[in-house]
Amino acid sequence: AQTVTQSQPEMSVQEAETVTLSCTYDTSESDYYLFWYKQPPSRQMILVIRQEAYKQQNATENRFSVNFQKAAKSFSLKISDSQLGDAAMYFCAYRSANFGNEKLTFGTGTRLTIIP
Amino acid sequence: ETGVTQTPRHLVMGMTNKKSLKCEQHLGHNAMYWYKQSAKKPLELMFVYSLEERVENNSVPSRFSPECPNSSHLFLHLHTLQPEDSALYLCASSQEPLYGDSDTQYFGPGTRLTVL
Repeated sequence: AQTVTQSQPEMSVQEAETVTLSCTYDTSESDYYLFWYKQPPSRQMILVIRQEAYKQQNATENRFSVNFQKAAKSFSLKISDSQLGDAAMYFCAYRSANFGNEKLTFGTGTRLTIIP
Repeated sequence: ETGVTQTPRHLVMGMTNKKSLKCEQHLGHNAMYWYKQSAKKPLELMFVYSLEERVENNSVPSRFSPECPNSSHLFLHLHTLQPEDSALYLCASSQEPLYGDSDTQYFGPGTRLTVL
């Protein structure tokens, strides 16, 4: 079974600075997807960024980028120029690429606080 | 309304009550999911419906009964719940192709359930 570990329950960063959230996972599969979701106080789970395991290039979405290390099974999220609106719980998630296995496996989350 | 909506947003019920949670997706997706989010625990997948057929049930107690009448609507019927069932219940949807890459799951805002 796949597992996802987020070792940082809480992180804080000064506004406009850069912060990196850690995520590691365990799987025996070679093809899969990794996601970072953001859950603000409104509770809506919002997709931040997605990475296909077969792609070596790290995904980037505006101020959000990932450092995907497949061999190390590591998938960290970097937030540049942090903004107050980035304050939220951040969840790392894994999903198999095997047909019929739609299950998302989530980590326990990292609560990010932005310091004005 | 756009995206994935859930009603009610908050629900308080006694252990002998019967209630239902509703989810509706406006994205044209063909797969829908129920997740349970408890404090300090990873999100737990409860049910998956793909093309209106249940494809996964992660050993959820029978006091939770899902219903998917069509590809846009998903219900979670609740009866004789326990206090430990108090949690945030999240609905998600995705577009699952018959073959090939799977797509991202998009989440609703959740229903905060409290069982007294």
